[in-house]
Amino acid sequence: DAQLTQSPSSLSASVGDRVTITCRASRPINNYLNWYQQKPGKAPRLLIAAASRLQAGVPPRFSGSGSGPDFTLTISNLQPEDFATYYCQQSYTIPPWTFGLGTKVEIK
Amino acid sequence: EEQLVESGGGLIQPGGSLRLSCAVSGLNVRNSYMNWVRQAPGKGLEWVSVIYTDGSPYYADSVKGRFSISRDNSKNTVFFQMSSLRVDDTGVYYCVRDRRPAGIDLWGQGTLVIVS
Repeated sequence: DAQLTQSPSSLSASVGDRVTITCRASRPINNYLNWYQQKPGKAPRLLIAAASRLQAGVPPRFSGSGSGPDFTLTISNLQPEDFATYYCQQSYTIPPWTFGLGTKVEIK
Repeated sequence: EEQLVESGGGLIQPGGSLRLSCAVSGLNVRNSYMNWVRQAPGKGLEWVSVIYTDGSPYYADSVKGRFSISRDNSKNTVFFQMSSLRVDDTGVYYCVRDRRPAGIDLWGQGTLVIVS
């Protein structure tokens, strides 16, 4: 199994801030690292695939980087609609596949 | 339009069984990695199971031996048979398509399973 250690578990930030969330893989995952945003009562939304590929319709203030074992999701110029919970996920290894435990981004 | 619609959730007693269905439209289940992902109330996402394009099933350790994933290509539907249900199986179950390495780009609306 490739476990994902996501940090921090929560953070408080203000509109306009730059926010960084990290995900560390316990084994090589060949950049099969994805980032999701989830708002209460909704299904998650794919933001970044394969470590750095921004999905269509996702604002460019979201970016992903890293090449293993550490990956990063950065939100520059945080907007009110960005307050949500973010998850990393890998599907490289033979299953079980895994999610990080999540990072809740709250308003300071 | 690609769409996943889950059904079959509900309230069930511990030890009971339930079968979830995922009706798929706009894509072919036999060509996709179809998964079930669950979320306990107030908790994070947990990957539970996948059926590969070749039909091979895989499971999280927490459900191995109790749950079974399958698909009906003629009905373009994915099934999830859950047996020996436990209280900690409670949550919303999402049917999803993983386009690895391009991530889970399609989610159903989720179906709620309550084991109590």
